[in-house]
Amino acid sequence: DIYMTQSPSSLSASVGDRVTITCRASESIGDRLNWYLHKSGTAPKLLIYAASRLQSGVPSRFSGGGSVTEFTLTISSLQPEDFATYYCQQSYSEVYTFGQGTKLEIK
Amino acid sequence: QLLLQQSGPRLVKPSETLSLTCTVSGGSIGAGPYYWGWIRQSPGKGLEWLGSIYYNGKTYYNPSFKSRVLISVDTSNTQFSLTLRSEIAADTAVFFCARHWGPPGRGGTSDSFDFWGQGTTVTVSS
Repeated sequence: DIYMTQSPSSLSASVGDRVTITCRASESIGDRLNWYLHKSGTAPKLLIYAASRLQSGVPSRFSGGGSVTEFTLTISSLQPEDFATYYCQQSYSEVYTFGQGTKLEIK
Repeated sequence: QLLLQQSGPRLVKPSETLSLTCTVSGGSIGAGPYYWGWIRQSPGKGLEWLGSIYYNGKTYYNPSFKSRVLISVDTSNTQFSLTLRSEIAADTAVFFCARHWGPPGRGGTSDSFDFWGQGTTVTVSS
């Protein structure tokens, strides 16, 4: 399986901050990388697909970048509703795998 | 708006079989190009993809679970279901159903889980 590693595992930030989360794949996945936001008790939400494409309806403060093995999710100006756990996921291989998650908390 | 609504028991005894159903509304499940999958979130292992199914019944399973997972589809009732055999305490988890563009590994750059169910917390305990 392709192993996905996210960093940091947790992050404290303030409203208005710019934050970046990194996701690394154990082997090349091209641009087959997706990002999700998840709040406990709710359905996860797709933010970014194909590494950098913004899902319809997602605010433009979210952006994704990278390719091959290293990817980033950037939130340009944190809003109160953005405090959640973020996951990356690869769709390159026949076995989908996710990163372990990055918990974004209010400072 | 597509809605995925999960149902099923929240408590399962060890060695019993877990069965969950995902009912899709606001869209068709009886034709492509979408695939319908199950993902679980467990405390020790994060999010794990269990498997997916296409409307014609073709299934794709994570090899780590293949021996005890069964996914089926009922297009007439716009539902797909998960059966997980031989539940053990380590199987306590939150289970999600979700739609994606599949098939796994060949779904193209847009392959992603774009709609999810609300999640079902299943506890395995005697």
